[in-house]
Amino acid sequence: DEQLVESGGGLVQPGRSLRLSCTASGFILGQHAMGWVRQAPGKGLEWLGFIRSRPYGGTTEYAASVRGRFSISREDSKNIAYLQMNSLRGDDTAVYYCARDGHKNWYFDLWGRGTLVMVSS
Amino acid sequence: DIQMTQSPSFVSASVGDRVTISCQASQDIDNSVSWYQQKPGKAPKFVIYIGPSFRSGAASRFSGSGSGTDFTLTINDLQPEDFGTYYCQQSESFPLTFGGGTRVEIK
Repeated sequence: DEQLVESGGGLVQPGRSLRLSCTASGFILGQHAMGWVRQAPGKGLEWLGFIRSRPYGGTTEYAASVRGRFSISREDSKNIAYLQMNSLRGDDTAVYYCARDGHKNWYFDLWGRGTLVMVSS
Repeated sequence: DIQMTQSPSFVSASVGDRVTISCQASQDIDNSVSWYQQKPGKAPKFVIYIGPSFRSGAASRFSGSGSGTDFTLTINDLQPEDFGTYYCQQSESFPLTFGGGTRVEIK
């Protein structure tokens, strides 16, 4: 059964850093681009970024709201994708989802359950 | 950035009804649109992609159409499990953007 599981969320103080992990099972993560999406409490979905698969350069794309503060990486040998979040702010409080790219068309055909990040002093 | 505007924001319908949700893009995006369903407290779930290589992750009663700037998700023969919030998303260009969501309630 194909599955994505996020981990690493929690309570963090403003200005600090946090790294989220997204562990894939049931499929080979290295064959897919992977993305991150967040949802603030009571709000809609916000795309954060994408990392292409290695055959396509492993390059990244980011939303303007997180570019320069967040970075996405991947460790295909472990079937894990990461979201490194620096200089966290209160408006970064959200549930963070990792998601798999569908057939290189930049939509999400498989989602993780999400992990909650709360930024507060 | 491409803005995606969904309408209506809320719809209440009965089991067996046909429900239509619209999504309008702020510029021509060809047909690179996908739809997701999200139930309260759960992760979004892929419903359908109507781009160059059509894909569906949901029951056949879900269908999608449109091109250019206007897109539609149709749910035929609405079932009790179809409640939730539906989001459209464009994948024509970065940054990828989502619509604001349409909540579907079963009467």
